[in-house]
Amino acid sequence: ETVMTQSPATLSVSPGERATLSCRASQSVSRSVAWYQQKPDQAPRLLIYGASTRATGIPARFSGSGSGTEFTLTISSLQSEDFAVYYCQQYNNWPRMFGQGTKVEIK
Amino acid sequence: QAQLQESGPGLVEPSETLSLTCAVTGYSISDGDYWGWIRQPPGKGLEWIGAMHHSGSTYYNPSLKSRVTLSLDTSKNQFSLKLSSVTAADTAIYYCARGIEYWGQGTLVTVSS
Repeated sequence: ETVMTQSPATLSVSPGERATLSCRASQSVSRSVAWYQQKPDQAPRLLIYGASTRATGIPARFSGSGSGTEFTLTISSLQSEDFAVYYCQQYNNWPRMFGQGTKVEIK
Repeated sequence: QAQLQESGPGLVEPSETLSLTCAVTGYSISDGDYWGWIRQPPGKGLEWIGAMHHSGSTYYNPSLKSRVTLSLDTSKNQFSLKLSSVTAADTAIYYCARGIEYWGQGTLVTVSS
């Protein structure tokens, strides 16, 4: 089982600033990492897959990077609608575990 | 493209079996991909439950494996989750999903007498 560990648990950022979220896998998962955004009372929405490919309709301010065991989600200039909880998930092997989430809140 | 919709009882008694169905439109489950379930206890993070391919390959979260049964019904284009011997700890929003991209809106299941 691959354990996914996200940091930090909470990130306080001002609108317009950059946010950098981290996700570490307990073993190599190649580039098979997805990032999701979840807002209150909504299902998670896929942002990034393949570590760095934006899903359909995702703004360019969202970018992903990394391979192996270290992954990063960057939001270049936070908009009001970006304050949410973000999860990473590996899909290189089974079970497809999630990280515990990072809450991005308004500073 | 695919749309997914969960359905099932919103209240289940302790020790009973939770049963949910996910109806799929816009895509045939026989055409491929993995069809899975994820849950989220109130105020907590996402927990992957398991997934199944139409070929029969099935994968489970080891922590739930002994209590979970997944199945596909290609004639109805839907798939199902059964979780046995439920307790209050199984209270959660349950999501069905196709692969990693398409999710249902989720359904809250409360375990209580």
